[in-house]
Amino acid sequence: EAGVTQSPTHLIKTRGQQATLRCSPISGHTSVYWYQQALGLGLQFLLWYDEGEERNRGNFPPRFSGRQFPNYSSELNVNALELEDSALYLCASSLDALQGREYFGPGTRLTVT
Amino acid sequence: AQSVTQLGSHVSVSEGALVLLRCNYSSSVPPYLFWYVQYPNQGLQLLLKYTTGATLVKGINGFEAEFKKSETSFHLTKPSAHMSDAAEYFCAVSDSRDYGQNFVFGPGTRLSVLP
Repeated sequence: EAGVTQSPTHLIKTRGQQATLRCSPISGHTSVYWYQQALGLGLQFLLWYDEGEERNRGNFPPRFSGRQFPNYSSELNVNALELEDSALYLCASSLDALQGREYFGPGTRLTVT
Repeated sequence: AQSVTQLGSHVSVSEGALVLLRCNYSSSVPPYLFWYVQYPNQGLQLLLKYTTGATLVKGINGFEAEFKKSETSFHLTKPSAHMSDAAEYFCAVSDSRDYGQNFVFGPGTRLSVLP
C-alpha cells in the first residue's frame, strides 16, 4: 500500500512569489492535515481538510490556503512568500476525522530567498 | 486545550544504554497520546499510541511508553539504544472527544546515540 506522498520534494522560491505544494493521501483516507515545521518552531498545525471541506485552520495568515480535490488529494498554496515561510511542510492523512494523524508524508522543503 | 512539554531538547545516550524521553501533557479531558520519530530530512513516523485500555503501550523498534494519569506523563523508553535510534522524537496529545480538531505536538527531543 502506498503511503502519503508529497511533491515536490524541494521548492525554491523568491520572496513575494507563490508556492504550491501537493499531497496525496493513502488510498481510502478522506482527511488531510498540513503542518509547518520551521526551524526552532516545532510542528505547527496549518490546515485540515475532510471530505473536500476545510474543517479547521491554525494560527496562520490568510495567504496560507489550500483545497482538497474530489480524489482527496490536497494542495497547499502560500502567497506573497516571506523569508520566514522557509520550512518543511508535512502532510498527514487519516481514514476519517476520528482517526489520529498516523501517516505522514516525507514533506516538502520550501526555501524562500 | 491540550499542551505538551518534552523535558530536554537534546538527550545523549551510549549505545546499549536505556533510552528515556520524557513527555508531560495537559488536557482537560481524557487524552489520546502519541509518540513519533523523525529521521533527518524525513517525515514523521508513528512509534506508538495510547487511546484506551492498557496503559503500557508497545510500539515499533522496541520502544514502549506508559500512560500515567496521576503524573500526566507518557514517557518513551527503550531498554537498549541502537545507533539507528538517533533521530528527533515528538510527543503529541489529542482530545479524545474531538480527535480531529485538537491535536498538539510537543517541541521535540533530539536523541543522540554515542558509540
